[in-house]
Amino acid sequence: DTAVSQTPKYLVTQMGNDKSIKCEQNLGHDTMYWYKQDSKKFLKIMFSYNNKELIINETVPNRFSPKSPDKAHLNLHINSLELGDSAVYFCASRWGFTDTQYFGPGTRLTVL
Amino acid sequence: TQLLEQSPQFLSIQEGENLTVYCNSSSVFSSLQWYRQEPGEGPVLLVTVVTGGEVKKLKRLTFQFGDARKDSSLHITAAQPGDTGLYLCAGGIKAAGNKLTFGGGTRVLVKP
Repeated sequence: DTAVSQTPKYLVTQMGNDKSIKCEQNLGHDTMYWYKQDSKKFLKIMFSYNNKELIINETVPNRFSPKSPDKAHLNLHINSLELGDSAVYFCASRWGFTDTQYFGPGTRLTVL
Repeated sequence: TQLLEQSPQFLSIQEGENLTVYCNSSSVFSSLQWYRQEPGEGPVLLVTVVTGGEVKKLKRLTFQFGDARKDSSLHITAAQPGDTGLYLCAGGIKAAGNKLTFGGGTRVLVKP
């Protein structure tokens, strides 16, 4: 069984479009994250939700809007996509105050 | 802003050789984690160190956390082609909701 899953795996779209990426974890964790990994493999946190509440919101354009319908899901909606949004987006989850984060397989977003 | 610098950025060695990857910061972290990422997949946790001066061993991998909890190293003994991958260090700060700050990564290539 997949612990942290993301859909889609690949997303190719035109500039200006709106798209969503979905994340689900079946680990029973209460905290979920979105990270962006650029072409140089630098991994940067974007958002974190704990029990459906936003707890970390890094300096991210407001075109990016996370939504957590329940503890097991954290989706990322991106409006008016730009070329610079092309990257791999990773979802991760964690339980309580433990340090370990479990990452999903990533969604490779390509904006043309 | 906490920054983690990894060195070297790229390491190519022959099977059987030893290697060391460094992770340095001017900031103090509650914990330091090492991840390994394969192409097309998410990072997978190798180890977490939380105590200054702590040394952890995982088969041929040895991880050390600096006394001041600002730096860490990963040493691989008798590297094998299966050790090839992107190694990422990440510092966690409990006071910041356990937000992880990642280093830029070290790409390791072990040639048979």
